[in-house]
Amino acid sequence: ELKVEQNPLFLSMQEGKNYTIYCNYSTTSDRLYWYRQDPGKSLESLFVLLSNGAVKQEGRLMASLDTKARLSTLHITAAVHDLSATYFCAVDNNNDMRFGAGTRLTVKP
Amino acid sequence: ETGVTQTPRHLVMGMTNKKSLKCEQHLGHNAMYWYKQSAKKPLELMFVYNFKEQTENNSVPSRFSPECPNSSHLFLHLHTLQPEDSALYLCASSQVAGQGHYGYTFGSGTRLTVV
Repeated sequence: ELKVEQNPLFLSMQEGKNYTIYCNYSTTSDRLYWYRQDPGKSLESLFVLLSNGAVKQEGRLMASLDTKARLSTLHITAAVHDLSATYFCAVDNNNDMRFGAGTRLTVKP
Repeated sequence: ETGVTQTPRHLVMGMTNKKSLKCEQHLGHNAMYWYKQSAKKPLELMFVYNFKEQTENNSVPSRFSPECPNSSHLFLHLHTLQPEDSALYLCASSQVAGQGHYGYTFGSGTRLTVV
């Protein structure tokens, strides 16, 4: 069974700092997704990574995928308060997605 | 609006009630999904419909009954629920083609409380 593990599960960081969220998965897949969820809201798609070595950037967030290591990272550069949310990675498994437990990020002034 | 609309946004029901959750997607996608999100567990896939055909029932209790009358609409019928069924129920849609899909679009969810 496909397992998706994220770490850390909770992350508190100061504005202006950098940090990385990790997503490991247990079976072969070359499709990985990152989502953001604000409290009480739905999930918003951030990145779709479709091949080994894929790297995508949007603002202060950059996601990468290493299918050989079965690892994706979400790097946060110079964090700002607006980035506070829960971030989920998800891995495609035969056309349905399995989600990680989520990383709850809090950015403090 | 994200293109996937869920109603109601909030629902409180007793354990003997029967209610239904509705999901409608306006994106022309060919697959729809029900997920359960609770505080204690990661997002759990419940049901998958591809081209209106149910392709997965992820060991969901029979008190949850899905219905997909067409590729744009998805329902989740609820009856004799338990308090532990209280959660956020999310609907999603995607376009499945070839080797896979390109991510889901989620609805805003229905916050269900069973009393």
